[in-house]
Amino acid sequence: QKEVEQDPGPLSVPEGAIVSLNCTYSNSAFQYFMWYRQYSRKGPELLMYTYSSGNKEDGRFTAQVDKSSKYISLFIRDSQPSDSATYLCAGAKYNNNDMRFGAGTRLTVKP
Amino acid sequence: KAGVTQTPRYLIKTRGQQVTLSCSPISGHRSVSWYQQTPGQGLQFLFEYFSETQRNKGNFPGRFSGRQFSNSRSEMNVSTLELGDSALYLCASSFLPRGYEQFFGPGTRLTVL
Repeated sequence: QKEVEQDPGPLSVPEGAIVSLNCTYSNSAFQYFMWYRQYSRKGPELLMYTYSSGNKEDGRFTAQVDKSSKYISLFIRDSQPSDSATYLCAGAKYNNNDMRFGAGTRLTVKP
Repeated sequence: KAGVTQTPRYLIKTRGQQVTLSCSPISGHRSVSWYQQTPGQGLQFLFEYFSETQRNKGNFPGRFSGRQFSNSRSEMNVSTLELGDSALYLCASSFLPRGYEQFFGPGTRLTVL
């Protein structure tokens, strides 16, 4: 069983919709949780990260972590066609580059 | 500020050969990590270097090795290539070895025939 589980989708939504992407993790030692966006033929791009439980908002993006249920979420408001990409969640311990990634969810936002 | 650069971008090799991939981190970054990305296994951690020292290593066979130079540039080497080594190899850098602060390069697409 992978340490981070993520539904690979694909997920297709109309422009303007609210998108909810979710992951679960099993390693209680994870303290940092990241969301990356990866466009086709590009490297992953860090969207945001959160420490421990709580919410973090950045523009149209909101990340949530619930350590009690080991659940990670990313919400995208007012989704745009340019948001079409694969979204990867990841967990990591403090001061550690050994990030464990989910499989990635492929999102398509249709105009 | 220039991002993480990786060379070459594409590579085709045959089974049994060896390959060396190169990564130049963002200026000032001292930590470099390598990842393998495949459709079946996703993104997997290979190893991490900080100030020329390997700090962590993922669950990969000894055919995968790496090193970091004094200017923080890093190379990874795969010997005796197998078909299953075909993947996108990604390098990421950060100032300190903190995964949540890493920036990824565009990757090297390796195809093993």
